Amino acid sequence: NFMLTQPHSVSGSPGKTVTISCTRSSGRIATNFVQWYQQRPGSAPTNVIYDDNQRPSGVPDRFSGSIDSSSNSASLTISGLRTEDEADYYCQSYHSSNWVFGGGTKLTVL
Amino acid sequence: EVQLVQSGAEVKKPGESLKISCKGSGYSFTNYWIGWVRQMPGKGLEWMGVIYPGDSDTKYSPSFQGLVTISADKSITTAYLQWSSLKASDTAIYYCARLRDAFTSGADFWGQGTLVTVSS
Repeated sequence: NFMLTQPHSVSGSPGKTVTISCTRSSGRIATNFVQWYQQRPGSAPTNVIYDDNQRPSGVPDRFSGSIDSSSNSASLTISGLRTEDEADYYCQSYHSSNWVFGGGTKLTVL
Repeated sequence: EVQLVQSGAEVKKPGESLKISCKGSGYSFTNYWIGWVRQMPGKGLEWMGVIYPGDSDTKYSPSFQGLVTISADKSITTAYLQWSSLKASDTAIYYCARLRDAFTSGADFWGQGTLVTVSS
């Protein structure tokens, strides 16, 4: 199995852009799709990116996803930061009928 | 409208059994996998396992195999997560989630979560 490693925390100012990384420990990042979930305090997770870079209906285009084979990582980029973006973000991928979650990144909007 | 509505919070003692539920509506319940995810206090998300209500095919995370049982009753569009003997370390919020068409594409809808507290 593999692990997904995320930074513990990131921060940004309103209107700015932040990027959260998710590095796969073994195997190629492109082998399995990566999803991203947002979890606001006291709420259930919601999906903001699936299949590496697809946005579910209703998710603003300020949210984008990508993968980088050279660093074996996926990234979630949030542009035009808003205070409501402050939340925990989790990446998730798949291996042999099992999901793998990253440890989560706390985004603070200063 | 797709909805997953979970049963209410539970307070149990160590050694007791428990079954929590997740009722799906607004879609064809038998055609989508339902997964369960644990979130211990102040911690991240952990994958527990999935069930396909159409034929009750079930897959468990190695970390939870033998510790919990996942089941479903398609006649009432409800999935379940159960324990036969709870431990204090089972204290957590448990979420159910509907998987997208493709198993590998994550979950598109989540339940509101069920808080389970195990304390003597």
